[in-house]
Amino acid sequence: EAGVTQFPSHSVIEKGQTVTLRCDPISGHDNLYWYRRVMGKEIKFLLHFVKESKQDESGMPNNRFLAERTGGTYSTLKVQPAELEDSGVYFCASSLYTGANVLTFGAGSRLTVL
Amino acid sequence: RKEVEQDPGPFNVPEGATVAFNCTYSNSASQSFFWYRQDCRKEPKLLMSVYSSGNEDGRFTAQLNRASQYISLLIRDSKLSDSATYLCVVNRDNQGGKLIFGQGTELSVKP
Repeated sequence: EAGVTQFPSHSVIEKGQTVTLRCDPISGHDNLYWYRRVMGKEIKFLLHFVKESKQDESGMPNNRFLAERTGGTYSTLKVQPAELEDSGVYFCASSLYTGANVLTFGAGSRLTVL
Repeated sequence: RKEVEQDPGPFNVPEGATVAFNCTYSNSASQSFFWYRQDCRKEPKLLMSVYSSGNEDGRFTAQLNRASQYISLLIRDSKLSDSATYLCVVNRDNQGGKLIFGQGTELSVKP
């Protein structure tokens, strides 16, 4: 079984530019989550999709972040315009069941904003 | 104050040592508890769930004290391959998937 895959593994952009991160969950997993870890801090929840619907987006930091999951398969997380404080590692995770506590994480997309 | 607090370490121990990690959580509504392991620049992976009765998986023992809101992980007979960051994770009831992470404790096992 393929795991959760994320692309790109590392992105370096300048402040003000746009970046789009992609996540492919495990096939058949309706639940997809985005988390991020900024430098020196703990991993924090951003949002949760059930299929194509946003179940919980309480962790999204501001309106520069836009997550989509059209068709309920892969998801994208766009940051526009990127700021220095957006640098960090963005993790995607998926689970088969809604309400599941155990998630399978991807290796993360490292974002560096200069 | 962070909702989940861990000693960030690093813990540097020799092979064969026993090492204990502690974690406290502040929200009494927390219902599920886990230890995840994260290798450098890799994804967090579930190490074990933590139950009030305590649970053991080989060299790893996890304990939960709900009254004190305290979670522990004990690793016996440390191996070089145990070197990683250990993340204490909690989840509140009916918020499945919305995990709350501690900052992680770094462990380095030396020959």
